Amino acid sequence: QKEVEQDPGPLSVPEGAIVSLNCTYSNSAFQYFMWYRQYSRKGPELLMYTYSSGNKEDGRFTAQVDKSSKYISLFIRDSQPSDSATYLCAMKANSGYSTLTFGKGTMLLVSP
Amino acid sequence: GAVVSQHPSRVICKSGTSVKIECRSLDFQATTMFWYRQFPKQSLMLMATSNEGSKATYEQGVEKDKFLINHASLTLSTLTVTSAHPEDSSFYICSATSGGATYEQFFGPGTRLTVL
Repeated sequence: QKEVEQDPGPLSVPEGAIVSLNCTYSNSAFQYFMWYRQYSRKGPELLMYTYSSGNKEDGRFTAQVDKSSKYISLFIRDSQPSDSATYLCAMKANSGYSTLTFGKGTMLLVSP
Repeated sequence: GAVVSQHPSRVICKSGTSVKIECRSLDFQATTMFWYRQFPKQSLMLMATSNEGSKATYEQGVEKDKFLINHASLTLSTLTVTSAHPEDSSFYICSATSGGATYEQFFGPGTRLTVL
């Protein structure tokens, strides 16, 4: 079993839809969870950074962490065509220096 | 946010040649830089971690003699792919962190390497 599992998609939705992206993980030591957005042939851009279980909201984006289920989610409200990208989850065990473990990424396509 | 640049953005080379990729933190001092490789539809795989003035730490399975990393200053790290072969063709991405409470990593735009 891989440390982080993420459905590669593609996930196709119409403009305005609510999008749900998810990752599961196996390492219970992970405490810090991130979502990155990566446009084609570009480097990842940090969207959300959360610690432990709970929700965090930033504009149209909400990150949710359920450590008991080892499951994290990213919700995008009122999705826009400009949201079309690959979304990568990443996680690490410590707040300080430690390497990130990434999921494969989910490709999202938002059609106008 | 912090900006990380990479140069070149794309390189095509013949098999057997060496290629150097630069990673620069433009508006902050990067205590640590990371080098990743990403194959199509695959996750980012960490290759090595480098701290300024120290030897890089390579992940298991990454040949340190093939992927030479130099982190000569707090704003520049270079990755040299020596004697490149077609199987080295990939998307190489660097990231940098200045430390701080969260050690957030800022990613460069990536370099597409194609070895013929």
